[in-house]
Amino acid sequence: GAGVSQSPSNKVTEKGKDVELRCDPISGHTALYWYRQSLGQGLEFLIYFQGNSAPDKSGLPSDRFSAERTGGSVSTLTIQRTQQEDSAVYLCASSWGQGLEETQYFGPGTRLLVL
Amino acid sequence: GENVEQHPSTLSVQEGDSAVIKCTYSDSASNYFPWYKQELGKRPQLIIDIRSNVGEKKDQRIAVTLNKTAKHFSLHITETQPEDSAVYFCAASGSGYALNFGKGTSLLVTP
Repeated sequence: GAGVSQSPSNKVTEKGKDVELRCDPISGHTALYWYRQSLGQGLEFLIYFQGNSAPDKSGLPSDRFSAERTGGSVSTLTIQRTQQEDSAVYLCASSWGQGLEETQYFGPGTRLLVL
Repeated sequence: GENVEQHPSTLSVQEGDSAVIKCTYSDSASNYFPWYKQELGKRPQLIIDIRSNVGEKKDQRIAVTLNKTAKHFSLHITETQPEDSAVYFCAASGSGYALNFGKGTSLLVTP
């Protein structure tokens, strides 16, 4: 079946502009995660959705970052007034159920470059 | 919060040799430890995981060991092949909803 997809695959934007990144999880997966991967760094957790609710937003770096999920499916990560330090690969992952022991399936990521 | 340290950051081995990557964690409540492999330009994929009620798990050429007392776990790859070249990430469950990832180990297997 189809895996996790993300769009766009690459995004170049100017400092100060807003960007929207999209994630389509595997059909039926109730859990959805957003991560940020900077060059040479690990996977930094941003936010977790269970259905349309976000019980854990603790990883969002600032109030410029927000995310939503609709219909228990597609999720959008929005970064307002982008800064150069926002440049990174943004990865989305989904899994069955609610537990962390469920395998997380990752999307290909969106490579964001803020000039 | 949980802190996962991963070593080494880079590792180069000759084909056929073994590779070992080690991780330590800080949260004694952690009970799930997956390992992900990320090939260049591709998405991370789960290769093996271990739960806290198990000390060792093996799947063909890869194995993971867990020492809960010392709060460390390791990935062992035997008979390495060039296609094992990738970045490997360890992770540990925390008290919240997120996995905490190490910073990754870039493994290079030379023919």
